[in-house]
Amino acid sequence: DGGITQSPKYLFRKEGQNVTLSCEQNLNHDAMYWYRQDPGQGLRLIYYSQIVNDFQKGDIAEGYSVSREKKESFPLTVTSAQKNPTAFYLCASGRGGVYEQYFGPGTRLTVT
Amino acid sequence: AQSVTQPDIHITVSEGASLELRCNYSYGATPYLFWYVQSPGQGLQLLLKYFSGDTLVQGIKGFEAEFKRSQSSFNLRKPSVHWSDAAEYFCAVRDTGRRALTFGSGTRLQVQP
Repeated sequence: DGGITQSPKYLFRKEGQNVTLSCEQNLNHDAMYWYRQDPGQGLRLIYYSQIVNDFQKGDIAEGYSVSREKKESFPLTVTSAQKNPTAFYLCASGRGGVYEQYFGPGTRLTVT
Repeated sequence: AQSVTQPDIHITVSEGASLELRCNYSYGATPYLFWYVQSPGQGLQLLLKYFSGDTLVQGIKGFEAEFKRSQSSFNLRKPSVHWSDAAEYFCAVRDTGRRALTFGSGTRLQVQP
């Protein structure tokens, strides 16, 4: 059954700790994306990757890092440098180019 | 840079009534446009997309959207709303430079019985 998985669904961390959010896809898509969603602000692009071993910053990359060592995986690390990390994080994948993106179920991160 | 505006933050309609959600985009060339739906606490599901050709596109769940270049709009419509349509709806345009999507801020739809 093809799709995008994100784990865990809920994540709680103390301030000052780094945390890594998982994103895996078995759709054989080249491109993968991370978005952050806050109430009333829609989705904002954090990082994206069009091919393995390459990724680019989006609009709000500060305080985040990513890696793309495998086509199927695009983990996002929220570092202690991120000022307001509490949010809903969505991973997406697509064939790249003009094509649509498909989204995972999301991870809700709460930092206290 | 491309941008998307969804003027209505929240809309309430009665079950069985028609629905139109507005979306305006800013983009110089022919845009690639999308509508997504999100249920609370879930990911986004693609409803429909416009790349080129016929300006009226059909999607899933009985939704359709019309691309109007002269008005820079891509409004989403449904002739008869069901209670299960209550969700948040996002319009998006493809960013040609980054090949990512730029989203509007969303419209929350409430359906009254």
